[in-house]
Amino acid sequence: EPEVTQTPSHQVTQMGQEVILRCVPISNHLYFYWYRQILGQKVEFLVSFYNNEISEKSEIFDDQFSVERPDGSNFTLKIRSTKLEDSAMYFCASGSRIGSGLYNEQFFGPGTRLTVL
Amino acid sequence: DQQVKQNSPSLSVQEGRISILNCDYTNSMFDYFLWYKKYPAEGPTFLISISSIKDKNEDGRFTVFLNKSAKHLSLHIVPSQPGDSAVYFCAANGGSQGNLIFGKGTKLSVKP
Repeated sequence: EPEVTQTPSHQVTQMGQEVILRCVPISNHLYFYWYRQILGQKVEFLVSFYNNEISEKSEIFDDQFSVERPDGSNFTLKIRSTKLEDSAMYFCASGSRIGSGLYNEQFFGPGTRLTVL
Repeated sequence: DQQVKQNSPSLSVQEGRISILNCDYTNSMFDYFLWYKKYPAEGPTFLISISSIKDKNEDGRFTVFLNKSAKHLSLHIVPSQPGDSAVYFCAANGGSQGNLIFGKGTKLSVKP
């Protein structure tokens, strides 16, 4: 069964460093997402990506964040200068349309645990 | 601002009985809802969804009910099994590109 994969599973970095989190979405999906979950809190939407551009982003997704789909298979989230409060689980998700609607069942990867020291 | 609320942080049920997980939402514009299950150290796994044009959707042991007037949905698991023990998240489609707004989750424990 196809699945979303993410690497690395755990990333430890120093405050101020850049990190890149990688995801391989399900191959025939068209919509791609990043979410994060700070320990003990709910899963929060960061950004959606469709047709090679950001389609929607949350307040969390500020100038320190960027996303890219460099080669048609990988989908990356870059944090330019990490802060302590960026420590969280980061989940990638992908989805495809259902029928003629915009709604899609999103399939999540296992997550990358980011620890900023 | 909690647009999707799961007011019960935990629920304990005996194996074979029904589990009922509840979810409330505040935004009447939401028109598609999903339930996800999450095990520790794994990503959320899609379980079942419902469009606002329906009031019930069933898939095997899982049934989701939607009461639009009350802005309430519930997930029923019958019969509950120990393997169902996990955190269950309710989510609503929050935007035109399908971004999901999650509740805080309910931890279900099914005891043998």
